[in-house]
Amino acid sequence: NAGVTQTPKFRVLKTGQSMTLLCAQDMNHEYMYWYRQDPGMGLRLIHYSVGEGTTAKGEVPDGYNVSRLKKQNFLLGLESAAPSQTSVYFCASSTLTGLAEPLSYEQYFGPGTRLTVT
Amino acid sequence: QKEVEQDPGPLSVPEGAIVSLNCTYSNSAFQYFMWYRQYSRKGPELLMYTYSSGNKEDGRFTAQVDKSSKYISLFIRDSQPSDSATYLCAKGRGTSYGKLTFGQGTILTVHP
Repeated sequence: NAGVTQTPKFRVLKTGQSMTLLCAQDMNHEYMYWYRQDPGMGLRLIHYSVGEGTTAKGEVPDGYNVSRLKKQNFLLGLESAAPSQTSVYFCASSTLTGLAEPLSYEQYFGPGTRLTVT
Repeated sequence: QKEVEQDPGPLSVPEGAIVSLNCTYSNSAFQYFMWYRQYSRKGPELLMYTYSSGNKEDGRFTAQVDKSSKYISLFIRDSQPSDSATYLCAKGRGTSYGKLTFGQGTILTVHP
């Protein structure tokens, strides 16, 4: 049981290049998320998915696209990388912890991808 | 004003001390709170979560919520050097598909 895995671990891009970050989870979780973490900013939600084939925007979605073709995978794409996208990217997945109110979700994170855009 | 505010520290304490980590939040329409621990260059690890109306204890860790002052706390008893990490508080709402809003994180160092 690997939990949440991310590929690649590190990447350096030139401005204008594109790339895709892959997230995979083996916990059969319905919900998946992409965050970026920057110094002094905490974790900020980029996009999320509530199920296979569905995605939605988070707090900072500009410049990113996502796809969830399979329940276990969530891809984050950068079509034209910019230096402002230099960050550490984390994928997470979650499941509902119960049906009693208040509803809550346990969210588990991957190890992260360090991206530098020059 | 950020929805979740957390003093970034850094906080440095001697081994064995009781550590108090705190966050404030500005929107009361949130029903549960989480604490994550993040070691350097690693992903956040879920420590514990509490509902807005209660406290929770797990070993050396106690999470506490004060709704009247919109204040959440994590206490670490008998702190160890292995507790040295960044601690992130987060809040969630039951109707929001598990989306969390995070504080900036507090850097904690426990020295022997």
